[in-house]
Amino acid sequence: EPEVTQTPSHQVTQMGQEVILRCVPISNHLYFYWYRQILGQKVEFLVSFYNNEISEKSEIFDDQFSVERPDGSNFTLKIRSTKLEDSAMYFCASSPYHEQYFGPGTRLTVT
Amino acid sequence: ELKVEQNPLFLSMQEGKNYTIYCNYSTTSDRLYWYRQDPGKSLESLFVLLSNGAVKQEGRLMASLDTKARLSTLHITAAVHDLSATYFCAVYTSGTYKYIFGTGTRLKVLA
Repeated sequence: EPEVTQTPSHQVTQMGQEVILRCVPISNHLYFYWYRQILGQKVEFLVSFYNNEISEKSEIFDDQFSVERPDGSNFTLKIRSTKLEDSAMYFCASSPYHEQYFGPGTRLTVT
Repeated sequence: ELKVEQNPLFLSMQEGKNYTIYCNYSTTSDRLYWYRQDPGKSLESLFVLLSNGAVKQEGRLMASLDTKARLSTLHITAAVHDLSATYFCAVYTSGTYKYIFGTGTRLKVLA
């Protein structure tokens, strides 16, 4: 069964560094999403992406964040200058329309 | 801004008992989702509810949606230990590609 994959599974970075989180959505899905979950807390919507552009973004998704679909298969989330409070699990999801399929997540630790 | 609240936040119940988790949301939506999350894991889709009055059942779980009351319920019948997990509802913001998650309900089923 096709599934969403994410790399790396765990990323440790220093404050102020740039990180790129990678996702491979299920092929033929049209909608892509990034969420984050701070440990023990609820899942927060970051951004949705459709037809090669951002469809919606949350207040969290400020100028330090960007998303790309560089090669038609990968879907990346870049955080330009990481802060301590960016430490969280980041989940990618893809959707053919209604139902979202989540990847296993990347745990980002900012020190 | 759409707000989604779940209650209870924590639920400890005996095996064999029934219980209901509630998901209330603040603005119009015609799509609601239920997910399960095990500790340290990703989100697993349980139910997709797409219309008023929708009811779906899978095993010991049954979900329903009342769009007029802006309420969804997740009913657990004869709980078993394997159902121990955190359950999230997520509401689609009409007219956008944005999903807002509830606060989550951490369920512990005691043997």
